Amino acid sequence: DGGITQSPKYLFRKEGQNVTLSCEQNLNHDAMYWYRQDPGQGLRLIYYSQIVNDFQKGDIAEGYSVSREKKESFPLTVTSAQKNPTAFYLCASSMGQGIAHGYTFGSGTRLTVV
Amino acid sequence: ILNVEQSPQSLHVQEGDSTNFTCSFPSSNFYALHWYRWETAKSPEALFVMTLNGDEKKKGRISATLNTKEGYSYLYIKGSQPEDSATYLCAPDSNYQLIWGAGTKLIIKP
Repeated sequence: DGGITQSPKYLFRKEGQNVTLSCEQNLNHDAMYWYRQDPGQGLRLIYYSQIVNDFQKGDIAEGYSVSREKKESFPLTVTSAQKNPTAFYLCASSMGQGIAHGYTFGSGTRLTVV
Repeated sequence: ILNVEQSPQSLHVQEGDSTNFTCSFPSSNFYALHWYRWETAKSPEALFVMTLNGDEKKKGRISATLNTKEGYSYLYIKGSQPEDSATYLCAPDSNYQLIWGAGTKLIIKP
């Protein structure tokens, strides 16, 4: 079955370390997105990519980096520059922007800085 | 950036009762309105995508209406069941970006 796989489900990081969250989709979707969720807030966009080898900053990109070398994959690196990285991270994909398509979401990664 | 408000933040409903909640958003630069259901420990799941003023969509016991001129959408659940317990998210699509509300958490009491 097609879908999005995020790994790992839980991740613990020491302060000062970079960590990479994986997001893979087999839906043949062009667009992929990374969101962050904090308690009591809506999902906030970190980065998005409309096509391979291209990506754009979202509302809260500082301290994060991404790559889109393959259509199926959109990994997110949380760098040591991210001041408050403990959060729940969701990856999503859609057929493309500019069309009212729904998003397909992964099951998320909960990152905790210890 | 749009300001999306969902109310109430949480809601307890007796099994079998019907309920509704609201998503409010600025009406300018509107392209579409998305509703999602997010059950605990699962991925958010798309319910509806609505584009036209006056649109009404239905999926089983769940329906939604859209008023783009005044900037709101209602989600209705008829005859609530325990499996309806979830957080319901709305997201207007403006300039091809979804802006997410914080959600309404619905708890169905047996």
